This record gives sequence, C-alpha cells and structure tokens, in this order.
Amino acid sequence: GAVVSQHPSRVICKSGTSVKIECRSLDFQATTMFWYRQFPKKSLMLMATSNEGSKATYEQGVEKDKFLINHASLTLSTLTVTSAHPEDSSFYICSASPPPTSDTQYFGPGTRLTVL
Amino acid sequence: AQSVTQLGSHVSVSEGALVLLRCNYSSSVPPYLFWYVQYPNQGLQLLLKYTTGATLVKGINGFEAEFKKSETSFHLTKPSAHMSDAAEYFCAVKGNSGNTPLVFGKGTRLSVIA
Repeated sequence: GAVVSQHPSRVICKSGTSVKIECRSLDFQATTMFWYRQFPKKSLMLMATSNEGSKATYEQGVEKDKFLINHASLTLSTLTVTSAHPEDSSFYICSASPPPTSDTQYFGPGTRLTVL
Repeated sequence: AQSVTQLGSHVSVSEGALVLLRCNYSSSVPPYLFWYVQYPNQGLQLLLKYTTGATLVKGINGFEAEFKKSETSFHLTKPSAHMSDAAEYFCAVKGNSGNTPLVFGKGTRLSVIA
C-alpha cells in the first residue's frame, strides 16, 4: 500500500512557541492531504483539507491563524501550530490518497505534541 | 451529511473466540466504508474497505466485513481472535466521489483475554 510519513513523531515544546509537523507521501503524489486531531481515547476529528498550490480548507471551529497549513509540493504538507498552548497538546495525524481513484486514505504514523 | 455509529466503546473477547465489532452509518450518497485499526501511539492502518461490487469484503489479518445497505451496517468480524488483535478499531465513511475526507466513528477498543 501507499506510504505516508510524518515528522517528528513526538515533540515537546514550551508554551508560546511554534511547532511544525511535516506530512509526506513517499511513493505517490498527493494534490490533497488531510489533517486530523485525536484527543486521548477519542476519535479522529478532521481539522483541515490541505490543497497543493492553494489555501487549505478549515473545518468549523479550527483557527486558521493558529494552525497554519502549507502544501507547497505534491508530496509535502506542513502543519504549524503557532503560539502553542497546553490545550493544543494532542495527537496529530495526516492522511493522503494516491491517484487516480483517491478512494482510500493512507495515514501517517502521527505526531504526539506536548505543550508544557 | 455522513455519520458513523460504533456500538460499544469496548469489546472484550477470549482468545480464539469470534470478534464482532458493530458499525452503522448514515450517508446521503452511496458510501465508501472503511475499517481502520490503531495500535497505541501509532497511526491508522487500513484493514479493509467497501467501495462497490461484492458486499462481503475481506481484509488483512483475517478480518472481513459485510456491507448491508438495508441495515446501513458494515460490521467487522473475525472468526478467531488473537492476542495481537487487541487495539482500537475505527469505522469510517466517505462519499463515493472525489478526494473527500473520512468521517470516523468514535472507535471500539478490543481486548483479547488469554
């Protein structure tokens, strides 16, 4: 199956700092990637849809100025958590679908963010 | 609009026993349905999917699921549980057109007792 990677797998930062998370499709090109957030013992909630070469589409309630998404190439999308606070601590997971059908999403291994 | 309901947040079975994880969906368009498995602190791994065609789909690790349109269900089964099956399982739905995001159920944690 298709492979999606994320980096870093785990990050601890101080409150007020910014953290960048990378999502890469390793063996296919992805014009669209998705970013999800997962709270402990909870399901995945879609945060935003990342579109190559254009602005991301954010879900209702997700602050676009806080969660900056850049999809600069067909294999890379980045999520930057700006001015992180402890309530931003979570598990962030990205996904992408290989063409042409795009009917199946493959997920990255996730990034555990802890804000102190 | 689409939604997924997974009945039972926690299911416990004995090793060698049948595994049944329930999933019901709601969709205004013909759905694509998925089961994913998640091990602690890891991403999601695709178990199986239904898009079109045969309604009984087989996946990895001996799992299978049957799409029943009349019951709006997509239950996951495995004839004989193994200790390594202990994990969190998510049922998900998406529309059948375009590169659209998944809508997930709340997940079911499967425990396997020796």
